[in-house]
Amino acid sequence: GQNIDQPTEMTATEGAIVQINCTYQTSGFNGLFWYQQHAGEAPTFLSYNVLDGLEEKGRFSSFLSRSKGYSYLLLKELQMKDSASYLCAASDSNYQLIWGAGTKLIIKP
Amino acid sequence: GAVVSQHPSWVICKSGTSVKIECRSLDFQATTMFWYRQFPKQSLMLMATSNEGSKATYEQGVEKDKFLINHASLTLSTLTVTSAHPEDSSFYICSAREVEYEQFFGPGTRLTVL
Repeated sequence: GQNIDQPTEMTATEGAIVQINCTYQTSGFNGLFWYQQHAGEAPTFLSYNVLDGLEEKGRFSSFLSRSKGYSYLLLKELQMKDSASYLCAASDSNYQLIWGAGTKLIIKP
Repeated sequence: GAVVSQHPSWVICKSGTSVKIECRSLDFQATTMFWYRQFPKQSLMLMATSNEGSKATYEQGVEKDKFLINHASLTLSTLTVTSAHPEDSSFYICSAREVEYEQFFGPGTRLTVL
């Protein structure tokens, strides 16, 4: 079956670094997405990885290992506004997104 | 990036009435549009996938006669919640895709059924 696993909740301190992990099992694979979702709002796109390696975009970086079915989202220099849910989604052979349940990130001062 | 709009952004209706939600891709042609539902503190749940000019494909457990989807053009899809009940109260989000890459999300519609 198809499955995405990510931690339910994480807590980090303002200014620190946090890594949110995601493992996936899909029928075929056409890339891994990370989305940010603030409470009461729709998700917004953060990153897309289809090749192995690290993609850096400002304070956010995303890593993919296709052989391990593993990705992580790295957030640096955390700010209070980064408090949100982070959704991992894998694109399967039909380009359908298989969604994780989301990781709620709590930032403390 | 591409822009997707939804209308209305929120709606309150009486039980038994029908509600129509519009999803528009503003600056690109969406060959495929998706409708999601999200309950509080839960992740997105895909309800259906619609391709322009063809019938929507519904996910298991989603009643197609209750959630009517029409994708009449490459820029517009509508979701009609028929005979809405309080348990249909939720956050409904559409997304649109031009090619097999990224889904662009609308801002969502919060439906409250009294």
